[in-house]
Amino acid sequence: DAKTTQPTSMDCAEGRAANLPCNHSTISGNEYVYWYRQIHSQGPQYIIHGLKNNETNEMASLIITEDRKSSTLILPHATLRDTAVYYCIVRVLDSGGYQKVTFGTGTKLQVIP
Amino acid sequence: EPEVTQTPSHQVTQMGQEVILRCVPISNHLYFYWYRQILGQKVEFLVSFYNNEISEKSEIFDDQFSVERPDGSNFTLKIRSTKLEDSAMYFCASSRPSGATMDTQYFGPGTRLTVL
Repeated sequence: DAKTTQPTSMDCAEGRAANLPCNHSTISGNEYVYWYRQIHSQGPQYIIHGLKNNETNEMASLIITEDRKSSTLILPHATLRDTAVYYCIVRVLDSGGYQKVTFGTGTKLQVIP
Repeated sequence: EPEVTQTPSHQVTQMGQEVILRCVPISNHLYFYWYRQILGQKVEFLVSFYNNEISEKSEIFDDQFSVERPDGSNFTLKIRSTKLEDSAMYFCASSRPSGATMDTQYFGPGTRLTVL
């Protein structure tokens, strides 16, 4: 898997957009960008993934740069419940099997009232 | 929305005892996984399981560990003789409904194992 670099921690005011950056400069053409989060010792929660187009779901938006070397996860209106560690993970495009998820240290997002 | 469930939420055991951690994966998923997280450390892959056999295991998953799918719904992790260093959160995950092209893994809430 391509290595990813994320800031160790970030703060965001409640109600504002949280923009979490991730660098993955060595990403290959067959690798997706995945985001998970982990709220205080709970199980990792899948958020979103994308290949090269921007993606949006009910939880977040994912913006991937044209060269695919970086991406940003956007939580449009952060709430206190969004306080968590956010993991940016690059994973090989499905080849018909499976692939373990390799977690890094992630970004600890603190949403401030 | 379907979710992965795990029991118990917290297990306390004496060193040397056997423990079985239980998971019910999402019902139409075909791939199953165990991960662990020692307090303050990263989430680490232990093992993946497909078609009633282990697909991959990490170096952590030694002979003390075993996995089983005893029936059509449960997926278990057994630790034969627990050590103090086995104290951790253990997460089960599942993925890939039949016909799915993406291996998006969904995780359970975890079992906190404390070895005394």
